[in-house]
Amino acid sequence: AQSVTQPDIHITVSEGASLELRCNYSYGATPYLFWYVQSPGQGLQLLLKYFSGDTLVQGIKGFEAEFKRSQSSFNLRKPSVHWSDAAEYFCAVGGVYNFNKFYFGSGTKLNVKP
Amino acid sequence: DTEVTQTPKHLVMGMTNKKSLKCEQHMGHRAMYWYKQKAKKPPELMFVYSYEKLSINESVPSRFSPECPNSSLLNLHLHALQPEDSALYLCASSQGDGKNEKLFFGSGTQLSVL
Repeated sequence: AQSVTQPDIHITVSEGASLELRCNYSYGATPYLFWYVQSPGQGLQLLLKYFSGDTLVQGIKGFEAEFKRSQSSFNLRKPSVHWSDAAEYFCAVGGVYNFNKFYFGSGTKLNVKP
Repeated sequence: DTEVTQTPKHLVMGMTNKKSLKCEQHMGHRAMYWYKQKAKKPPELMFVYSYEKLSINESVPSRFSPECPNSSLLNLHLHALQPEDSALYLCASSQGDGKNEKLFFGSGTQLSVL
């Protein structure tokens, strides 16, 4: 079965500092990989996605993520965090055998200190 | 138009009430989803409609009844809910053709069952 793990429940960074959120997946083949962001009481917004090709993908709001097959990881990065980035971040895996099934990690809550 | 619209945004209902949640998209997507999200948890898949046919039911209790009247609309009919059903209900859509699928989410309906 597919699974996705986000080992950090909470992360606090200072505004202007760099950010890395970790995501590991368990799947036999190369899955589709996603990062979503959610503000309280809101829906999920797609930040970026990886389907194939270049392993460094750029997303919206200055975020990027790198797919590392050898580590089964898809970590999200941002060089300089803004206070508006405070939110919940979910990593997700898209099914290859069932393209309608998406599996979400448990989420990482990002707090930004002034 | 890249929006998924959900109504109502908030809903309070008693355990004997019948209510419906509505979802609409005009992106030409042929797959539509209902997710349930409890506080501080990731979204959990409930139902998937593919080309207006129910393709996935994740063993959801029968007090939740989905309906897909056409390719743009998705409803979730609620009857005799329990307080533990209180959650954020998210609708999502995807292209539905199995090529680089990605989910687009609505902003959700916050449901409280009294």
